[in-house]
Amino acid sequence: GENVEQHPSTLSVQEGDSAVIKCTYSDSASNYFPWYKQELGKRPQLIIDIRSNVGEKKDQRIAVTLNKTAKHFSLHITETQPEDSAVYFCAATGTGANSKLTFGKGITLSVRP
Amino acid sequence: NAGVTQTPKFQVLKTGQSMTLQCAQDMNHNSMYWYRQDPGMGLRLIYYSASEGTTDKGEVPNGYNVSRLNKREFSLRLESAAPSQTSVYFCASSYRPGQWNGYTFGSGTRLTVV
Repeated sequence: GENVEQHPSTLSVQEGDSAVIKCTYSDSASNYFPWYKQELGKRPQLIIDIRSNVGEKKDQRIAVTLNKTAKHFSLHITETQPEDSAVYFCAATGTGANSKLTFGKGITLSVRP
Repeated sequence: NAGVTQTPKFQVLKTGQSMTLQCAQDMNHNSMYWYRQDPGMGLRLIYYSASEGTTDKGEVPNGYNVSRLNKREFSLRLESAAPSQTSVYFCASSYRPGQWNGYTFGSGTRLTVV
């Protein structure tokens, strides 16, 4: 099955700096890669996703890049703000009838004011 | 439009007790999932239902059973709770595998087994 790894497990940045969170996946058949943000005590919420036919996708201050050859994808947050502090999960899946998302263990991002 | 609704939000059980976690979605999604979240372990799939009438084991199914009652509802049952099942449980739904727009998660159930 799919295995998704996230590194590092924690990341601390100064407000206004950029943050990059990296994930690797193992199954070359995976073709959909979403990112979720989970604030303390809340549910995970989808913030951006990318499909394997696209190399990069942007939405205001966040972007995701995908390298299919190396089997890794990254979340980029620019001009970080304190409200970006949360746990971020990456995930991967294919398109089969029984496909389901496999999540990484999550990374805790702290933005220092 | 409520999205995915989970009940209860909090529960304390004694070892050996049973309980059922309820999940309902109103988005006409075909697929539903149960995950557990433990510190440092991320989200681990317990069971899922790709479509009404089907259920399959995920990564950590031991000690749990599920029922896809209809297209809207997917319940998770703990027959004999153990302290190792202390966790936050999330239900999620999606339109269907292969047509991805991500999952919509419920607000979670925080379960403590003493």
